[in-house]
Amino acid sequence: EADIYQTPRYLVIGTGKKITLECSQTMGHDKMYWYQQDPGMELHLIHYSYGVNSTEKGDLSSESTVSRIRTEHFPLTLESARPSHTSQYLCASSESTVSSSYNEQFFGPGTRLTVL
Amino acid sequence: AQKITQTQPGMFVQEKEAVTLDCTYDTSDPSYGLFWYKQPSSGEMIFLIYQGSYDQQNATEGRYSLNFQKARKSANLVISASQLGDSAMYFCAMREGGTGGFKTIFGAGTRLFVKA
Repeated sequence: EADIYQTPRYLVIGTGKKITLECSQTMGHDKMYWYQQDPGMELHLIHYSYGVNSTEKGDLSSESTVSRIRTEHFPLTLESARPSHTSQYLCASSESTVSSSYNEQFFGPGTRLTVL
Repeated sequence: AQKITQTQPGMFVQEKEAVTLDCTYDTSDPSYGLFWYKQPSSGEMIFLIYQGSYDQQNATEGRYSLNFQKARKSANLVISASQLGDSAMYFCAMREGGTGGFKTIFGAGTRLFVKA
């Protein structure tokens, strides 16, 4: 069973608030990812990290920011939440090996965000 | 550019019967990995099966098997002896193995309904 955690699981918040979605993994994985997913739709990569102090934007433009100060921790922050940010946010991690195509991603349980 | 296509938005299958979920992909990288994930209504992503582009045999994991046809660029998931608990969204995904190729892209998903 994967050891990757996300908090909170559900969040309802008003427009303009600053929020941070937490993601932690205990597997020592170098690579971590954030995906955004609307209900019943495909996943879109919004941020990823190769390791500590490394962060990159993904394929889907996002107003969120991330940080990677510790290997196990990859929080996502929205400075000013808007209704368009309402979605599910999934965090994932994977190992680094020579054959990078092989490594499955382990997903957290997700955070369902609703911005009123 | 890499791309994943799942053409079946929804599928129905009778309990105890087999079902095939289609997935086609596009990539110019000779090294890549193909994944299938299951997403129940609770939202978490569960890894099911992996197929590497250089694997000679089709991958199998319990009731799941992957029908890999490299020339046709298809990687269909076969679920044998369907169970009610198999009702979920199923996502096909691909990761290229070349430089910078640890980003995984996902298809739009297929929702499977298992009937009693």
